[in-house]
Amino acid sequence: QSALTQPRSVSGSPGQSITVPCSGTSSDIGAYNYVSWYQHHPGKAPKLILYDVSKRPSGVPARFSGSKSGNTASLTISGLQADDEANYYCCSYAGSYTFGLFGGGTKVTVL
Amino acid sequence: QLQLQESGPGLVKPSETLSLTCTVSGDSISSSDYYWGWIRQAPGKGLEWIGSLQYSGRTFYNPSLESRVTILGDTSKNQFSLKMRSVTAADTAVYFCANTKGEPFYFDNWGQGTLATVSS
Repeated sequence: QSALTQPRSVSGSPGQSITVPCSGTSSDIGAYNYVSWYQHHPGKAPKLILYDVSKRPSGVPARFSGSKSGNTASLTISGLQADDEANYYCCSYAGSYTFGLFGGGTKVTVL
Repeated sequence: QLQLQESGPGLVKPSETLSLTCTVSGDSISSSDYYWGWIRQAPGKGLEWIGSLQYSGRTFYNPSLESRVTILGDTSKNQFSLKMRSVTAADTAVYFCANTKGEPFYFDNWGQGTLATVSS
C-alpha cells in the first residue's frame, strides 16, 4: 500500500479554523471508519487526537474534529492556538491486518 | 498510568540486526484486549507502522517490512521487543513503542522514542 496523501503544510492565524485533508483509496479510508489523527511536536511522543474518524480521546479539546467523505478524511482545528503548531498525521486501517497506514504528515503553522 | 520506555543500541552496522525493547509499567502486556506496537520515523519523513503484538501473542506486520521483522513479548519481564534483520541506512529512524486497548487501529499511549542509526 502507498502512504496516505497529506499536504506538506497548512497555516492559519490565531482564532481561525483550518482543515487538513488526508487522501486515501477505496481500500483504506474509503473502506473503513478506522481513521485516526496524531499531533506530533518534534522531539516528543505523538499524541492521539482523533480515532474512528471523529471520536476524541478524553482530554482532547472539542476544537479538534474529524470527518470523512469517500476516500478523503479531514482534520479541522477551530480557534487555532499557538500550541497547535505541530505536525499532524492521519492513519487508516488498510485491510488484511494492516492496522496502520500513515500519511506523510502536515506541518501546521500558526501565523 | 501505563508507561512505555524504549531501549536499545543507538548504532547498528549495515546488514546486521536491530534489536529494541519496550519496557511496560502500569499493567501487564498479557492483560486482555491490549495491543502493543512499534512505529518509526525516519529523518525528515512521516510515521510508519512496523507491526503490532496482541495480548494473546499474535503478531501483525506491515507487509513492506514483514520479511525482516519479528515482534515478541516477554511476560516475565513485562517487555516486548522488535528485531529487524538486514538493516540498511534507510532503517535509520526514531523508533516508538506504543499501545492501545480494545481496537488495534490506533495507539493512544506512546513512549518517547529512541534513535537507531545504521552506519558502519
